[in-house]
Amino acid sequence: DQQVKQNSPSLSVQEGRISILNCDYTNSMFDYFLWYKKYPAEGPTFLISISSIKDKNEDGRFTVFLNKSAKHLSLHIVPSQPGDSAVYFCAASGSDKIIFGKGTRLHILP
Amino acid sequence: EAGVVQSPRYKIIEKKQPVAFWCNPISGHNTLYWYRQNLGQGPELLIRYENEEAVDDSQLPKDRFSAERLKGVDSTLKIQPAELGDSAVYLCASSYGQAFTDTQYFGPGTRLTVL
Repeated sequence: DQQVKQNSPSLSVQEGRISILNCDYTNSMFDYFLWYKKYPAEGPTFLISISSIKDKNEDGRFTVFLNKSAKHLSLHIVPSQPGDSAVYFCAASGSDKIIFGKGTRLHILP
Repeated sequence: EAGVVQSPRYKIIEKKQPVAFWCNPISGHNTLYWYRQNLGQGPELLIRYENEEAVDDSQLPKDRFSAERLKGVDSTLKIQPAELGDSAVYLCASSYGQAFTDTQYFGPGTRLTVL
């Protein structure tokens, strides 16, 4: 039973364009959502987060949107850069648990 | 500032052998997490410590896995005996606060291969 789903295993985007990564969750008890970025042979690094009381959070080139009614969140990267090529994990947390999605591999094309 | 340190980085063992992983969290971080990441999956939380107390070990297979965090700093995760299905990357993370809203800082992980 996947509580956090990232349905796109991979995504290719031209450098300079917008990258949009999607994530769906099933448990309405989740109240905090995070995105982590992972390079090969390294641990995940925190990117951006959003509380369930908000619908948008922005940090530089990264924006996370939350649609609670649809139980959907998305990460927008604008403009995409070569260093953004990595695996991106969506995570959802409540008071007593944190669940990660399977990840989406983002390729930024030159 | 030093990040989360894990050792070894790689470990290959025969099934039924024991294995141990070590983690040194970021200085001052009270909460420590152990995750398992299977191939093609996201990290799965095994156990969470607040200082030296295990506050959530519901996902830890207690028949063969054990963990300790002596003095509330370093931590060790042990598997005895290892099974083929234990092959995975074992990640350690730490955070200053206790809530899942606090940023977790991950180590590079230990890649375990069980033959």
